[in-house]
Amino acid sequence: AQSVSQHNHHVILSEAASLELGCNYSYGGTVNLFWYVQYPGQHLQLLLKYFSGDPLVKGIKGFEAEFIKSKFSFNLRKPSVQWSDTAEYFCAVNEGGSYIPTFGRGTSLIVHP
Amino acid sequence: EAGVVQSPRYKIIEKKQPVAFWCNPISGHNTLYWYLQNLGQGPELLIRYENEEAVDDSQLPKDRFSAERLKGVDSTLKIQPAELGDSAVYLCASSLAGTFNTGELFFGEGSRLTVL
Repeated sequence: AQSVSQHNHHVILSEAASLELGCNYSYGGTVNLFWYVQYPGQHLQLLLKYFSGDPLVKGIKGFEAEFIKSKFSFNLRKPSVQWSDTAEYFCAVNEGGSYIPTFGRGTSLIVHP
Repeated sequence: EAGVVQSPRYKIIEKKQPVAFWCNPISGHNTLYWYLQNLGQGPELLIRYENEEAVDDSQLPKDRFSAERLKGVDSTLKIQPAELGDSAVYLCASSLAGTFNTGELFFGEGSRLTVL
């Protein structure tokens, strides 16, 4: 069965620091990759997604992620975080042709002003 | 455009009591998901519907959990009887179906259940 690993469970940063959250998955075939974000008191929402093409994907609010097939990774990055980026971040993976994403356990990000 | 609506937002019950959660997906979204999210964990699929048909319910504990999606729109998830370990957030999500499915799920705010 597909598994998704997020190695950083809790990250604390100061504003303007750079961010990188790791995501690795286990499936060896074609995958669709997602990052979702959940701000405090709000619902999960899509941050960015990768289906094919350029492995560097840009999302909302200055976030980007890079798909590295050889490493089975889809790490999330932001060059300079803001206090408003405080949230839970979830990586999710669909096996190609499946409509059921498997989620990682999430990373809690706290950004100090 | 209205998002996915779930109710109740919070529910506290005693063990062995029944509980039900309701979900109204985004209009036009034929695919509906129920996910379970335990504290400190990511969402885990319970059941997926394509219109009114449950197409993936292998993770649904059928001895106490049931779900329905009458008329292919709203859905209800029921637990009877509830156990202490059922305390969690129950998430509903919807998406477009078939070739229109981009893989993006639209989530509701969740229903947080506490079983005492």
